[in-house]
Amino acid sequence: EIVLTQSPGTLSLSPGERATLSCRASQTVSSIYLAWYQQKPGQAPRLLIYGASSRATGIPDRFSGSGSGTDFTLTISSLEPEDFAVYYCQQYGSSPGLFTFGPGTKVDIK
Amino acid sequence: QLQLQESGPRLVKPSETLSLTCTVSGGSMSSTNYYWGWIRQPPGKELEWIGSVHYSGSTFYNPPLKSRVTIFIDTSKKQFSLNLTAVTAADTAVYFCARRSGPPVRALEYWGQGALVTVSS
Repeated sequence: EIVLTQSPGTLSLSPGERATLSCRASQTVSSIYLAWYQQKPGQAPRLLIYGASSRATGIPDRFSGSGSGTDFTLTISSLEPEDFAVYYCQQYGSSPGLFTFGPGTKVDIK
Repeated sequence: QLQLQESGPRLVKPSETLSLTCTVSGGSMSSTNYYWGWIRQPPGKELEWIGSVHYSGSTFYNPPLKSRVTIFIDTSKKQFSLNLTAVTAADTAVYFCARRSGPPVRALEYWGQGALVTVSS
């Protein structure tokens, strides 16, 4: 079973700053199965990035994903007020029906 | 636009069975590319995948919950459902249903709004 670890747990930044979030897998993950989600309080998660680096429909280009193997990164180039939220990475296991989530990184206002 | 909506009792007694249904509208359930999943989130905590079902009826469960979970699908009603038996207070959570889309997305692209289920006597 692949375990996802996210760091840091909390990232305190100001609007306009760059955010770099890390997701590390305990084993090699196929990039096509690595996704990132944003969740705001009281809302369902929203898909941001799929296939490690492709933006989902309607996602601004300040969000970008990168990485391969066991190390993946979500970057927000310049934080907007609406970007302060919790971000989760997620991957699929040995079958497309098997999901794993990371514990999340909270991006809050400094 | 695909929409998912959770329904079911919001208060369940300890040791009883939690049952939720997700109704799908605005799209088909019958595609080999789609997996329909349940995810939960205890208050203030992280997301936890519960299990998924394929339109063929194949199921996949999170190992720690496997002995208590059943997920089934009824494409004629455009619904899939979750049963979680022998619940305790630790099962109190917001329960989300979601759809894993097919290639190239292969991710949980559509989500329900979530249903807070409280386990309490």
